[in-house]
Amino acid sequence: DAGVIQSPRHEVTEMGQEVTLRCKPISGHDYLFWYRQTMMRGLELLIYFNNNVPIDDSGMPEDRFSAKMPNASFSTLKIQPSEPRDSAVYFCASSFFSGYYGYTFGSGTRLTVV
Amino acid sequence: GQQLNQSPQSMFIQEGEDVSMNCTSSSIFNTWLWYKQEPGEGPVLLIALYKAGELTSNGRLTAQFGITRKDSFLNISASIPSDVGIYFCAGHYNTDKLIFGTGTRLQVFP
Repeated sequence: DAGVIQSPRHEVTEMGQEVTLRCKPISGHDYLFWYRQTMMRGLELLIYFNNNVPIDDSGMPEDRFSAKMPNASFSTLKIQPSEPRDSAVYFCASSFFSGYYGYTFGSGTRLTVV
Repeated sequence: GQQLNQSPQSMFIQEGEDVSMNCTSSSIFNTWLWYKQEPGEGPVLLIALYKAGELTSNGRLTAQFGITRKDSFLNISASIPSDVGIYFCAGHYNTDKLIFGTGTRLQVFP
């Protein structure tokens, strides 16, 4: 199994530009989670899906953030327009049967907005 | 969002020393998990605990599910330089999502 695959690994963009982060979960996993990690705030849950349906997006910071999961093997997190304070590492994770057996995390996307 | 309290926040130890860290919650959990995050990578699951009082080992790592179900402990024996990283606890209780701890940053000096 290739694990959770995220792309790109690194993204540098200018303030105001649109950014799209991508995630391919592990085949057979029915939950997908998007997290943001910063030194100040640690790991923050942004949104999660169950069977491709968004369940809880209360962690999405503001309307500039949106996430989709069009099918079981792909999800995107979009930021538009991006701001310097969005600079962070964004992780995607997937799991089978909610969190009982834990999540498998991707390697993350390091986003820098200048 | 809710986070679990981990202590210590950071540790600077010498190679060969034993390490202890813990995680506490105001709520009970049915599952406790411990993750390690190495620089530039995502967290990786180390140990999963499913029963109060349970003690589980994975090599030099030993974790315990607290009897009150509100805490968990992780010990690393005879630390080595590759133990460097951030250790996270996570709890699960009949919901879809895990609640993560604030992390313990471990630095090991040769």
